[in-house]
Amino acid sequence: QQPVQSPQAVILREGEDAVINCSSSKALYSVHWYRQKHGEAPVFLMILLKGGEQKGHDKISASFNEKKQQSSLYLTASQLSYSGTYFCGTEPGPLIYNQGGKLIFGQGTELSVKP
Amino acid sequence: GAGVSQSPSNKVTEKGKDVELRCDPISGHTALYWYRQSLGQGLEFLIYFQGNSAPDKSGLPSDRFSAERTGGSVSTLTIQRTQQEDSAVYLCASSFSGSRANEQFFGPGTRLTVL
Repeated sequence: QQPVQSPQAVILREGEDAVINCSSSKALYSVHWYRQKHGEAPVFLMILLKGGEQKGHDKISASFNEKKQQSSLYLTASQLSYSGTYFCGTEPGPLIYNQGGKLIFGQGTELSVKP
Repeated sequence: GAGVSQSPSNKVTEKGKDVELRCDPISGHTALYWYRQSLGQGLEFLIYFQGNSAPDKSGLPSDRFSAERTGGSVSTLTIQRTQQEDSAVYLCASSFSGSRANEQFFGPGTRLTVL
């Protein structure tokens, strides 16, 4: 079942912060985050494999709340280069049922950073 | 090349014709995925290969869609008797082993337009 991302779109000024949420009505087994700029391929940001995990690099970080079946992506002090569509991808089931890292992606969150 | 490549980058075809889309994964990556992205939508999983085998074809929308992979490398997605609803960007991705912990590297996609 497709995870739900919110918000669908957000406009920021440079330096502002944003949070993108990824929720599922079913259990989440891992969460992958990707960013896609217009006309380009999605680019990997990070993977969270277990509940409670938090990761980050530069000013982009993410958390994974297994109990709430939700992951959040945090972008702080946004830069123009952060503009793009952010996708979360989740495993469709427990490891024994998930063959080969198949991901079900959310519908995406379009982020625009203005000067 | 260093990344995933796809060809053609654009394909315009008439309804009812067959098309073949090609994907060259990163050398040494055993797992290969095909996704479809319709305008403004998320990434829809189509099929997954581990080596030359396709353990998961659950995302193929109809029997007009088929895919193969040869030599554990190049993959071809074939759409027979194309319909207008097949118009989309078809993305290929590869990962090192298909583990849930592996990031997926995406190609630039093939934009298919069915007239």
